[in-house]
Amino acid sequence: DTGVSQDPRHKITKRGQNVTFRCDPISEHNRLYWYRQTLGQGPEFLTYFQNEAQLEKSRLLSDRFSAERPKGSFSTLEIQRTEQGDSAMYLCASSLRGQTDTQYFGPGTRLTVL
Amino acid sequence: AQSVTQLDSQVPVFEEAPVELRCNYSSSVSVYLFWYVQYPNQGLQLLLKYLSGSTLVKGINGFEAEFNKSQTSFHLRKPSVHISDTAEYFCAVSEGLELTFGTGTRLTIIP
Repeated sequence: DTGVSQDPRHKITKRGQNVTFRCDPISEHNRLYWYRQTLGQGPEFLTYFQNEAQLEKSRLLSDRFSAERPKGSFSTLEIQRTEQGDSAMYLCASSLRGQTDTQYFGPGTRLTVL
Repeated sequence: AQSVTQLDSQVPVFEEAPVELRCNYSSSVSVYLFWYVQYPNQGLQLLLKYLSGSTLVKGINGFEAEFNKSQTSFHLRKPSVHISDTAEYFCAVSEGLELTFGTGTRLTIIP
């Protein structure tokens, strides 16, 4: 069990650019979640997958955001036309269905939009 | 809709003193409750969780929490803190799969 991993750990980009983050869940976990955490706040739910199906999306997930989980393994979160307000820590978590869905978090990707 | 309130944004405590971090939640149904810890520039680590059964839950690093349904609280306690406990602590509630977090409590240990 190597835990949830995320790549990159830090990303600095200019406003208007597109960025993509990757999350690799714990290997046997079939549920995967994305959260966003801004400075001084708790994480806020963005979306979640069960296997490859995206089952729920938050209102926070504007149409500039898209997430995928091909083949039910790793997931990517893409932000198009980044804005300064997108600067945040993006956290990924995974859980195993049937074990009360305790979520285990990765180290996060910190995005800074200049 | 569920929500979590952590009334104390910062708690300074002397080393080896006891600490209590407060958490209150609101929900119309049965919930699962969690405490996570976040060290600087890191993700969240699960400290402990309440799913059902005994209302006193023990977690890692000597922390424990007590679920009080009548007061809708899930306060976190440690009898004697260490410098290494300096971190941000988040309480979270789950009705389904989505976790709702409080705004966090920054615990600072004073040597």
